[in-house]
Amino acid sequence: QVQLQESGPGLVKPSETLSLTCTVSGGSITTDYWSWVRQPPGKGLEWIGYIYYTGSSNYNPSLKSRVTISIDTSKNHFSLNLSSVTAADTAVYYCAGLRTSRFGQWGQGTLVTVSS
Amino acid sequence: QSALTQPASVSGSPGQSSTISCSGTSSDVGSYDLVSWYQQHPGKAPKLILYEGTYRPSGVSDRFSGSKSGNTASLTISGLQAEDEADYYCCSYAGSSTWVFGGGTKLTVL
Repeated sequence: QVQLQESGPGLVKPSETLSLTCTVSGGSITTDYWSWVRQPPGKGLEWIGYIYYTGSSNYNPSLKSRVTISIDTSKNHFSLNLSSVTAADTAVYYCAGLRTSRFGQWGQGTLVTVSS
Repeated sequence: QSALTQPASVSGSPGQSSTISCSGTSSDVGSYDLVSWYQQHPGKAPKLILYEGTYRPSGVSDRFSGSKSGNTASLTISGLQAEDEADYYCCSYAGSSTWVFGGGTKLTVL
């Protein structure tokens, strides 16, 4: 059973870059697409983007100018960079496995707060 | 790309059925049979309960079922149990390798 675990700073200053990593264990990162989803406190889910092991990726149009998702197959992990953050980017960030348009496996999520 | 529309809340008594709607457009729900549903308990990660509209992952109760008509997908939970009380989210493929979620529905089991 594949497991996902997010890691990274829980506090980021406004205008800086949010950086998170998702480590995939129990399986190969080359078998699925991998995605990031976020959830502001008390609000709904928002798809951020995905990446495939080849490096092919795509992003939510509303975030595209600020998002980069990368992958390191040698470390079995993928990463999220979100630049120029504001308080509106405060959220629980989840990594998830994406297969045939379904998010089948999820990490436990990590809260990132944007504050000075 | 706008969020899919779900009712903010629904409720039902134990043993009854409850249906949650998910309204999209002809660019997402209406164009693809690729709607998935997620259950989220407080403080927990979402859990996939239906995919491609009607299919249940292994281990998910057959009390969960899905359907679609036009631009609206629906999730029906039959034989409501206390453990079903949670937030439910729909998600649809929206074309051009993008996905969109619904705003979420809080199910209360009375």
